[in-house]
Amino acid sequence: QKEVEQNSGPLSVPEGAIASLNCTYSDRGSQSFFWYRQYSGKSPELIMFIYSNGDKEDGRFTAQLNKASQYVSLLIRDSQPSDSATYLCAVRGSGAGSYQLTFGKGTKLSVIP
Amino acid sequence: DAMVIQNPRYQVTQFGKPVTLSCSQTLNHNVMYWYQQKSSQAPKLLFHYYDKDFNNEADTPDNFQSRRPNTSFCFLDIRSPGLGDAAMYLCATSRDRGTYEQYFGPGTRLTVT
Repeated sequence: QKEVEQNSGPLSVPEGAIASLNCTYSDRGSQSFFWYRQYSGKSPELIMFIYSNGDKEDGRFTAQLNKASQYVSLLIRDSQPSDSATYLCAVRGSGAGSYQLTFGKGTKLSVIP
Repeated sequence: DAMVIQNPRYQVTQFGKPVTLSCSQTLNHNVMYWYQQKSSQAPKLLFHYYDKDFNNEADTPDNFQSRRPNTSFCFLDIRSPGLGDAAMYLCATSRDRGTYEQYFGPGTRLTVT
């Protein structure tokens, strides 16, 4: 069974610090990786996706992928109170289930002013 | 702006009374997905349409059905809601089933009394 694991948190960081969110996945053939932000009571919002090993930067966000270690992370620089949310890692698998995203349960981030 | 729209945003229904949730999209995406998300859990895929082709997940109860009358609209029908069906129902779209990212609508919060 394909699994995506995240530390549930809460992860607390002071305003202005770097928040580091981590995710591991079990399906070695996984092809694409997504980070969604979900505010309480709201729907998930796509903030980053990454397909290749290495780093991908978009503004204050950096996604990092290491397929050999089956590990993907999200760094948030200069964290703001408005970044306080649950961050869902999602992985698109391989083979017959390649249309499907497998989500982790999310890491709750709290940015302290 | 291109978007995914869900109606209603909040739905209250009685135990056993059929209910229909609606999703529309202006993205002209081929694939539409329905997810169920309960509190502090990952979104769970119920089914998806790839164009007119319906794909049900193996563990989706028969109580849940879906219709896609055209590219823009997709409906989720719950034939006899139980208390355990209270959840956030999320509609998502993607351009295709391959690598493409999924975009979520705002969700419908279903309460069963």
